[in-house]
Parts: sequence; structure tokens; C-alpha cells
Amino acid sequence: QLQLQESGPGLVKPSETLSLTCTVSGGSITSSYYWGWIRQPPGKGLEWIGNTYYSGSAYHNPSLKSRVTISADTSRNQFSLKLTSVTAADTAVYYCARSRQNSYYYYIDVWGKGTTVTVSS
Amino acid sequence: QSVLTQPPSASGTPGQRVTISCSGSSSNIGGNTVSWYQQLPGTAPKLLIHSNSQRPSGDPDRFSGSKSGTSASLAISGLQSEDEADYYCATWDDSLNGWVFGGGTKLTVL
Repeated sequence: QLQLQESGPGLVKPSETLSLTCTVSGGSITSSYYWGWIRQPPGKGLEWIGNTYYSGSAYHNPSLKSRVTISADTSRNQFSLKLTSVTAADTAVYYCARSRQNSYYYYIDVWGKGTTVTVSS
Repeated sequence: QSVLTQPPSASGTPGQRVTISCSGSSSNIGGNTVSWYQQLPGTAPKLLIHSNSQRPSGDPDRFSGSKSGTSASLAISGLQSEDEADYYCATWDDSLNGWVFGGGTKLTVL
């Protein structure tokens, strides 16, 4: 059964770069799915950040696009998120997730447990 | 402000049937399939319904989904206390070229 596990610092200073990694186990990142990130600020709803296909095709939330980089490392079966110039508004639980997105099927079927990232000096 | 609109709350008594609505536009729900997610307190969301009305294998048939035009809905029948959770709808938006979520509906079992 495919599992996803987030890792990275739980505390990031304002204006610095948030970096998270998601390790895929029980399956290959080179399968026909997109791999991405979704976040949830405290007490709020879900916000899609972006995702990538293993070969490099990527999509990003327009509201975050200039600050976001999502990339896949097939040799390590991992994918990562970099979010630059963070502020307190980026404080959230960050989930990595697998999604299917093509001409008919759109769903997010596997989620990591989530990791809390706090932006504070 | 979420692209998809859900009621912030819903409630029902055990055994009752409850529906949660999700409203969008032609660029999202109108043109693409809808999925629903259940988020129990303190846990990650879980896929509940995909492709408008399909349940992942092994999931209870008390949960059902439907779509009509630019709206979708989730129905929960035979309400149980363990159904108390937040529910989110989501789909792909062709204009934004990305995923969009509803704001979430908090279901309370009275």
C-alpha cells in the first residue's frame, strides 16, 4: 500500500525559504500520477499549492506561483517543496499527496499525515 | 474566499440522512469530475468519493455523491457519530489550471 511521509523543519524564520520533502514508499514516483502539496492554516480549509509529474510537468497555485518550486527526485523516490520569502501567513499543516488528473479523472487518493510548519522569528 | 462554495456547517441526528452541497462554475465543476474528502479531527483528509459518485473500494455505501451542471452534493445516510468531521469538495479548474477546494463543511451529529 502506497504511503507518503513529509519531513522538514517545523520552524522557519520570516523571509526565509520553507523546504519540505515527501518520501514515497510502497510504490514508484514514476507511475501515472501527479505528486504535490496541499496546506491547511490553523482552523482553516485546504489550499492547493501545486504538483508535479515525475518527468517535470508541473502546476502551481497562481496565488503562490512565483514563490513555489516543486520537483521530483526519481532516484530517491521523493518529491520536494520550496516556498520562498515566507511570512506568518504561510504557517500551516503541509500535506504531501498523490493525485490523478487527466481528461476525466480528477482526485487526490493518497495523503501524507501532514507536518506542521510555523513561521516565526 | 474559496472557489467552490460549501455551507460552513451541517447537522443531523443518528440514523438521519444529510446532504452537503458544493457550488462552482463552468470552468471547474461544470467541466470536470468532483471528489469529496472527509477530515476527522486531527487527521489528514481521506478520499471519500471520486469521479462525482464513485466510492473507493471498501468504503461504506452510506456515502454517495452526485453532480448536476455546476453543482455537486454529498449525501450521508444512516448518520453515525463517527461521521462527525469536516467535508471538502474539490475539482480541477481549467481557468486557474489547478485544483480548487470548497471551504469545507463541519458536520455535527447531534
